[in-house]
Amino acid sequence: AQSVTQLGSHVSVSEGALVLLRCNYSSSVPPYLFWYVQYPNQGLQLLLKYTTGATLVKGINGFEAEFKKSETSFHLTKPSAHMSDAAEYFCAVSKAAGNKLTFGGGTRVLVKP
Amino acid sequence: GAGVSQSPSNKVTEKGKDVELRCDPISGHTALYWYRQRLGQGLEFLIYFQGNSAPDKSGLPSDRFSAERTGESVSTLTIQRTQQEDSAVYLCASSLGGQGADTQYFGPGTRLTVL
Repeated sequence: AQSVTQLGSHVSVSEGALVLLRCNYSSSVPPYLFWYVQYPNQGLQLLLKYTTGATLVKGINGFEAEFKKSETSFHLTKPSAHMSDAAEYFCAVSKAAGNKLTFGGGTRVLVKP
Repeated sequence: GAGVSQSPSNKVTEKGKDVELRCDPISGHTALYWYRQRLGQGLEFLIYFQGNSAPDKSGLPSDRFSAERTGESVSTLTIQRTQQEDSAVYLCASSLGGQGADTQYFGPGTRLTVL
């Protein structure tokens, strides 16, 4: 069975500082990888995804993530945090031949002025 | 266009009662998913529909949980004899097809509270 681990359930960053959210997965074959964001009282919104091709993926709102097969990681970064980035972030994987998403536990980001 | 919608947005019920949660997927999306998000936990997969058939029900936690879908349209998740541990946000998602790479679009969720 697949599993997804997000290191740190809460992250606090200063406005303008680097945002780094860690995600590691366990899978016998490279899966498809996703990052979703959940703003308060809203549904999940896709930030970016990796399927095939270039391992550095750019998403919305200035976020990007790099798929590293050797490290089984898909860490999310943003060079400069904005107050509007305060939200909960979820890493997820799906199997190449499957459908359901397996989610990590989520990381709540607090942005300090 | 319209996104995934869910109703009700909030539901409070007494232990032992049955509840029905509704999901309207994005028009034209053949795949539909239900997930559960319990307080302080990640999202758990419940069930996947392709059209009106459910090839993957592996996440349903007990036989008190069931779901159906009408064609490639609305889906209803039913929880019978609700228990306090059923309290959670129930999220519905849809995607254009059922492939692993397809983006799933999520609704705002139904917050279920079982007293």
